[in-house]
Amino acid sequence: AQTVTQSQPEMSVQEAETVTLSCTYDTSENNYYLFWYKQPPSRQMILVIRQEAYKQQNATENRFSVNFQKAAKSFSLKISDSQLGDTAMYFCAFSNDYKLSFGAGTTVTVRA
Amino acid sequence: DVKVTQSSRYLVKRTGEKVFLECVQDMDHENMFWYRQDPGLGLRLIYFSYDVKMKEKGDIPEGYSVSREKKERFSLILESASTNQTSMYLCASSPGQSGNTIYFGEGSWLTVV
Repeated sequence: AQTVTQSQPEMSVQEAETVTLSCTYDTSENNYYLFWYKQPPSRQMILVIRQEAYKQQNATENRFSVNFQKAAKSFSLKISDSQLGDTAMYFCAFSNDYKLSFGAGTTVTVRA
Repeated sequence: DVKVTQSSRYLVKRTGEKVFLECVQDMDHENMFWYRQDPGLGLRLIYFSYDVKMKEKGDIPEGYSVSREKKERFSLILESASTNQTSMYLCASSPGQSGNTIYFGEGSWLTVV
């Protein structure tokens, strides 16, 4: 399995502020895909954002954006204008075929 | 919307019991997966299937088996449950092409006592 590392077990952010989650991965492949998934307390895993490694442009989805640094093998997630509903565990994931390899996750708590 | 349904949300089983976790997807996806989620370890792949009756071992297949007799259904089997298999189990599915988004079910909490 590919190695995906999320070095921040927990993060806390004030409502309306910005938080950045880090993710690094290890691969010798050139073509692959990176994902951020959100798992709220309900436990339903939801895709937040997807990045194709051959695309240099960073993916964005509304308040969520990534900073993809291919040479550094880094894939961070920025949540802007944090909302209470963003409270969840966030997983970074890597895929170069059908399967996903996940990091250990970062718990994000948004404070009112 | 893609729907991945896990039949049991919460189960309590005794050590040595045979346990079946069932999963059904309604989007005609070729690929189906079983992951196990534990605190501090993220999600780890147990088995996956890329076609009916086809299966491949993931990273932690020991103690588990799977069955895929129909395209929409993928079952995880614990032949003889043990306490170290107490965990959250997540089923998922995706279309056949590499790099496609994987869609998850709501998870099954299994406690083995």
